[in-house]
Amino acid sequence: GAGVSQSPSNKVTEKGKDVELRCDPISGHTALYWYRQSLGQGLEFLIYFQGNSAPDKSGLPSDRFSAERTGGSVSTLTIQRTQQEDSAVYLCASSLAGGREETQYFGPGTRLLVL
Amino acid sequence: SQQGEEDPQALSIQEGENATMNCSYKTSINNLQWYRQNSGRGLVHLILIRSNEREKHSGRLRVTLDTSKKSSSLLITASRAADTASYFCATSSSYGKLTFGQGTILTVHP
Repeated sequence: GAGVSQSPSNKVTEKGKDVELRCDPISGHTALYWYRQSLGQGLEFLIYFQGNSAPDKSGLPSDRFSAERTGGSVSTLTIQRTQQEDSAVYLCASSLAGGREETQYFGPGTRLLVL
Repeated sequence: SQQGEEDPQALSIQEGENATMNCSYKTSINNLQWYRQNSGRGLVHLILIRSNEREKHSGRLRVTLDTSKKSSSLLITASRAADTASYFCATSSSYGKLTFGQGTILTVHP
């Protein structure tokens, strides 16, 4: 079946603008994760959704970052008033139920460049 | 935050040679996982080793875990040019949140 998809593949924006990044997890996967990969910080956890439970937002770097997951499926990561340090690859992953031994399936990522 | 160090940061070998990458972590773990990333994009899960296991094999991959030293190694035998990628170790929280190492960039020359 289809894997995790993300859109757009690439996004170039100007400092101060808002951006929305989209993730379509594998159908039937209840757990969804967002990670960020940047040169300076490596791979970092951002946020985790599991079913209808309150998300774990502990990895969001500032209040300019927010995410939602509608209907337990598609997720949108929104960055408001983008800054140059937000430039990174944003990766989404999903797993069947969010267990610690479950394989996470990653999307191809969205490469964000803030000018 | 990063879980720990991986070494080497970069490894360059010839096809047919073995590649060994090491990972250290800081906290006690339930399991440790290895992921591969091509061209800076999506990661692919390779193998998971539980804290009560010392060694695990999957095809040309061999993973060892030493919980007393908080370290793990990934060995790729008989490497191929297609193995060229970045390799990351990661530890998992109770709900699957992954904390990654800094990664090793492997280049296999044909």
